[in-house]
Amino acid sequence: EAGVVQSPRYKIIEKKQPVAFWCNPISGHNTLYWYLQNLGQGPELLIRYENEEAVDDSQLPKDRFSAERLKGVDSTLKIQPAELGDSAVYLCASSLRTGPYEQYFGPGTRLTVT
Amino acid sequence: KQEVTQIPAALSVPEGENLVLNCSFTDSAIYNLQWFRQDPGKGLTSLLLIQSSQREQTSGRLNASLDKSSGRSTLYIAASQPGDSATYLCAVRNDYKLSFGAGTTVTVRA
Repeated sequence: EAGVVQSPRYKIIEKKQPVAFWCNPISGHNTLYWYLQNLGQGPELLIRYENEEAVDDSQLPKDRFSAERLKGVDSTLKIQPAELGDSAVYLCASSLRTGPYEQYFGPGTRLTVT
Repeated sequence: KQEVTQIPAALSVPEGENLVLNCSFTDSAIYNLQWFRQDPGKGLTSLLLIQSSQREQTSGRLNASLDKSSGRSTLYIAASQPGDSATYLCAVRNDYKLSFGAGTTVTVRA
């Protein structure tokens, strides 16, 4: 069974530029999560999808961040414009919608904003 | 708000020694607790998941215990190997949200 796929793995951009991250979850997983992980810290949830619906986006900075999951499978997270403080690892995870809700993570995208 | 703490932040042991990693959380009304492993530059790999009704879970050399009433979980790794060197994170689930600790970085010296 293929795991969670993310691309790109690494991205270096200048501040004020836009950037997008892509995630393909495990087949059959209805729930998809985007996390932000700063160096030396645990991941923090940005947004959670149930199929194509964003059911928890309370931690997503909506002035510059947006996300979509149009067909309830793949998802894209976008930042526009990027700031220096956005440098971090962006992780995507997926799980089944029924218990125990074990989450499986992708390899992440390491973003560096210069 | 759930707060998850992992102490120590870093640990170095000689090969063969048993590892004991601690995790504490403030809100005991959890659904389950997961232990993850993270290698440098990589994503998180799930090691063990303990349901709130369970006291422990085992997989090979790994054993995780859960004391929900005191807000604690412990991950034991028996007979450590250099390949066990990584950062170990615990995460607790309340409702639909997973709250993570900052992790314990383990170095196993050959």
